[in-house]
Amino acid sequence: SQTIHQWPATLVQPVGSPLSLECTVEGTSNPNLYWYRQAAGRGLQLLFYSVGIGQISSEVPQNLSASRPQDRQFILSSKKLLLSDSGFYLCAWTPRGGMSGNTIYFGEGSWLTVV
Amino acid sequence: TQLLEQSPQFLSIQEGENLTVYCNSSSVFSSLQWYRQEPGEGPVLLVTVVTGGEVKKLKRLTFQFGDARKDSSLHITAAQPGDTGLYLCAGPIVGGKLQFGAGTQVVVTP
Repeated sequence: SQTIHQWPATLVQPVGSPLSLECTVEGTSNPNLYWYRQAAGRGLQLLFYSVGIGQISSEVPQNLSASRPQDRQFILSSKKLLLSDSGFYLCAWTPRGGMSGNTIYFGEGSWLTVV
Repeated sequence: TQLLEQSPQFLSIQEGENLTVYCNSSSVFSSLQWYRQEPGEGPVLLVTVVTGGEVKKLKRLTFQFGDARKDSSLHITAAQPGDTGLYLCAGPIVGGKLQFGAGTQVVVTP
């Protein structure tokens, strides 16, 4: 069966410090991978998605970047965090071919607090 | 941009009562999905509706897809505290991505 893991689960970082959130998927090949951010109790904003190694699409201009060094690994990074980067970050995957008709599977989420 | 609007934003009810959550758009979607999310966790898929007019039941939850495939509803009968959570609707958009609504926070008190 397929599983998705992301870490760390919680993170408190000072303004201006770097960030690295990591996500890995097991049990499938060539998944589409996604990073979402969610404000407290609200909907999900798509930040990045990737259809293959080294292929990253950014949805909104921001202080973050994403990389996909391996087929089932997706990393969310920042060189210098801002207060506004605080939030709940979710990694997700779908089978190759995207969302249409497919279920999206989410990781456990990572709480980031920038202080 | 295909937007999904959910209403109400917040719903607080007593155990045993019924509730309905709505998801509306001005655009046609090939399918819509409903997710439930509990605090500190990722959303979990409840159902996918594909055919206009389709009705799906999941125990006490009834999901309906509008005839024109622009809207959907989620009805919970005899709500229980375990139904508490953030309910999100989502639909596929251009580029193989998934557009989420802002969610409805449901609180069921004993």
